[in-house]
Amino acid sequence: DAKTTQPNSMESNEEEPVHLPCNHSTISGTDYIHWYRQLPSQGPEYVIHGLTSNVNNRMASLAIAEDRKSSTLILHRATLRDAAVYYCILRGGAQKLVFGQGTRLTINP
Amino acid sequence: DAMVIQNPRYQVTQFGKPVTLSCSQTLNHNVMYWYQQKSSQAPKLLFHYYDKDFNNEADTPDNFQSRRPNTSFCFLDIRSPGLGDAAMYLCATSRVEGWSEAFFGQGTRLTVV
Repeated sequence: DAKTTQPNSMESNEEEPVHLPCNHSTISGTDYIHWYRQLPSQGPEYVIHGLTSNVNNRMASLAIAEDRKSSTLILHRATLRDAAVYYCILRGGAQKLVFGQGTRLTINP
Repeated sequence: DAMVIQNPRYQVTQFGKPVTLSCSQTLNHNVMYWYQQKSSQAPKLLFHYYDKDFNNEADTPDNFQSRRPNTSFCFLDIRSPGLGDAAMYLCATSRVEGWSEAFFGQGTRLTVV
């Protein structure tokens, strides 16, 4: 399984942008980059995914480096409800979805 | 409407007494996953199905078994629960393609007494 590396924790202030980094230097050409988050006492939920190009949706933006060895999840204006553990996961054709340790994001009021 | 439903939300079982957790989906996805999540840890993949093809993770204990009688349902059987098996158990589904997002249930919190 291709491995991802994320900071254990990050902290930000409410209504400010948050940039969550992820390194995946062993990514293969067919791996999609997925982001999930897990709010306290809930199952993980999908945030966004991409292959090569930057992606935007209603929840977040995903910026992917040109060499695809790293990516950044961007929350444009963090709210207290965005406090969660964020997981960056590579998913290729092997069907598996394997979680790394993730980044615990704290949002200060 | 919930698309991945896990029952029960909370389960208490006795040490050594077999227990079954269930998961159902309305998405018609061909991949279903079972994860174990202990406090302050990431979800750990136990096994997954691609249709009826069962894929066990190498470090999943033999104490954990699974059944998938049809596309919609999947069961996790713990044959002899120990105190160390107390955890949140998460079920998820997705399509097989790498771009497919996964949908998770709310989980079943298992307590072993």
